[in-house]
Amino acid sequence: DTAVSQTPKYLVTQMGNDKSIKCEQNLGHDTMYWYKQDSKKFLKIMFSYNNKELIINETVPNRFSPKSPDKAHLNLHINSLELGDSAVYFCASSLLRTLYTFGSGTRLTVV
Amino acid sequence: AQSVTQLDSQVPVFEEAPVELRCNYSSSVSVYLFWYVQYPNQGLQLLLKYLSGSTLVKGINGFEAEFNKSQTSFHLRKPSVHISDTAEYFCAVSDRDTDKLIFGTGTRLQVFP
Repeated sequence: DTAVSQTPKYLVTQMGNDKSIKCEQNLGHDTMYWYKQDSKKFLKIMFSYNNKELIINETVPNRFSPKSPDKAHLNLHINSLELGDSAVYFCASSLLRTLYTFGSGTRLTVV
Repeated sequence: AQSVTQLDSQVPVFEEAPVELRCNYSSSVSVYLFWYVQYPNQGLQLLLKYLSGSTLVKGINGFEAEFNKSQTSFHLRKPSVHISDTAEYFCAVSDRDTDKLIFGTGTRLQVFP
């Protein structure tokens, strides 16, 4: 009965590879997000989708491409991974901008 | 654009002592305010939120926060901390006109026995 679930929890990969992180929410929320938490714990929004439509794209490199097949899913695909992409990526969902729920995070390590 | 300032990057405190974690936001428009806690290697858990109404908000684990519009602050307090409160605490603001949650840089609360 996990509210916001993301997979995988850990991801270790080599530079130059392409990888995807999946996210699903069963809360019926209307908006979903991807946040990046860097090594200094700073949380920064990357994207948001409302009912499958891209709402926010915070100057993220083109190598990052979100995809929302339906309003319960928001996946993140990353091409040509770089060392600087190593971080924890959090998926989140919200209802009416007042209730934000976060997934448990995906720790991406690029070697 | 919205911004959130958490002045203290680290707050060391002894067990059973009171603690206040400071948060200031920049905006003159109506906002929603949140405090989240992140335990080591875990996700973000909502502690409490202010949407409207009473300026004193009570949350989980004995935490509370007070919304002060004139000082644009939303400080988090607990009268007596436990070792288990050791974690990273994030203040966040949601602008009612844009659909995103902006986080502060976090405050590391370290509780010593």
